[in-house]
Amino acid sequence: DGGITQSPKYLFRKEGQNVTLSCEQNLNHDAMYWYRQDPGQGLRLIYYSQIVNDFQKGDIAEGYSVSREKKESFPLTVTSAQKNPTAFYLCASSRVYNEQFFGPGTRLTVL
Amino acid sequence: AQRVTQPEKLLSVFKGAPVELKCNYSYSGSPELFWYVQYSRQRLQLLLRHISRESIKGFTADLNKGETSFHLKKPFAQEEDSAMYYCALRIGGNTPLVFGKGTRLSVIA
Repeated sequence: DGGITQSPKYLFRKEGQNVTLSCEQNLNHDAMYWYRQDPGQGLRLIYYSQIVNDFQKGDIAEGYSVSREKKESFPLTVTSAQKNPTAFYLCASSRVYNEQFFGPGTRLTVL
Repeated sequence: AQRVTQPEKLLSVFKGAPVELKCNYSYSGSPELFWYVQYSRQRLQLLLRHISRESIKGFTADLNKGETSFHLKKPFAQEEDSAMYYCALRIGGNTPLVFGKGTRLSVIA
C-alpha cells in the first residue's frame, strides 16, 4: 500500500477559496492521476499526467487545475469555479502497462 | 467513448453462498479489465486483472468478449469480503482507468 501519500486527510474550504491537495509518490511511476469519488458515482477522472510537465484533462476538469513539475508530485488545486467541490479525492500512479496504485484520499468539505 | 456498467449498487448474500458481481463494458477494441476493491477505511486496491488470470482471495473473473462482460465470482462468500467493488477498463499503456459506479457487497453471517 505504501508509496503514495496524500495530504491533508481532511480539508475544509470556505466559499470562494482555492485549496490545494497534495499527492506524492516514491514508486518512480511516470503516470499520475486524480479522481473524484462521490457516493453512487464511482470514480471520475479529473486530470492525468503521463510525463513531467505535461497533463491532460479528464471527464470533469472544470474548476480544477494541476501541475507536474516533478515526477514525484502531482498537486490538485480546487478553485472557486468548482461549484460542488465537496467530495473524496483520490490520487493514483502507475507504470506503463501496470496497475494503478491509489493513495489514501483527501476528503474535502465546503463550509 | 468507453463505458463500464455495474448494474447492482448493492448485493447482499449469506456467508457461504456464491457471489457474482456483474460488469459489462462498451469498447470496440480489446481492453484491459480490472476489478478493484475498497474495504472499510482502507485505500482502493487491485483485486485482479484479466490478463493475469489469477485467483485472488478466492475470486475469479473471466473476460467474455462476445458478451462484453467481466463478471467477478466467488463460490463461497466470507464476511471479510464485504466491501465496495469497482470494475474498470483501460484501453492500453498508461491511459487512465474508466470505472463503473461500483457495487457494495454485504456478506451476512
